[in-house]
Amino acid sequence: NAGVTQTPKFQVLKTGQSMTLQCAQDMNHNSMYWYRQDPGMGLRLIYYSASEGTTDKGEVPNGYNVSRLNKREFSLRLESAAPSQTSVYFCASGGLIVNEQFFGPGTRLTVL
Amino acid sequence: GNSVTQMEGPVTLSEEAFLTINCTYTATGYPSLFWYVQYPGEGLQLLLKATKADDKGSNKGFEATYRKETTSFHLEKGSVQVSDSAVYFCALSDRSSASKIIFGSGTRLSIRP
Repeated sequence: NAGVTQTPKFQVLKTGQSMTLQCAQDMNHNSMYWYRQDPGMGLRLIYYSASEGTTDKGEVPNGYNVSRLNKREFSLRLESAAPSQTSVYFCASGGLIVNEQFFGPGTRLTVL
Repeated sequence: GNSVTQMEGPVTLSEEAFLTINCTYTATGYPSLFWYVQYPGEGLQLLLKATKADDKGSNKGFEATYRKETTSFHLEKGSVQVSDSAVYFCALSDRSSASKIIFGSGTRLSIRP
């Protein structure tokens, strides 16, 4: 049982480049989430998907897009990376009963 | 709106000391409450949870009791170890928040040998 997996683990981009962060879960959860974590800022929600086929903005959606490809997969895309998007990105999926979330190992992204 | 407030860190203790990390919340309805732990270089892991008033969540020697009268969910451990050094996040989930969890800002805990 792999839980929540994320790829890649590390990435360095130049300003203006694009990339997609991949996330998959094997727990049959309906809800999936993308967060960013910056020093001293805690976790901030970027986008979430309450169920397959739906996505909604979180606290800090600007500069990002998401796709809920199917029930298992939820990707995050940076169309034109900026240095302000240097961060650690976490994907999570949520259980049905009490909404507890399970996190992936994170992607460390540096934008130069 | 819903919110979580936890004590600021860093908290530094000696091994075998007693730990308390305070957490209070503001929420409508009856939220579920959680403590998550993040070890260096890793993602967040669910440490314990409580889903209704007076429930006590426990795991790995950590405990927290859901106190509705004081809107609190303080994390405690009787004897900490060096391996408990991590960042701890208090969080709540309310059905009215569309499956979202509200996280506190995190408390960094360092344990001296």
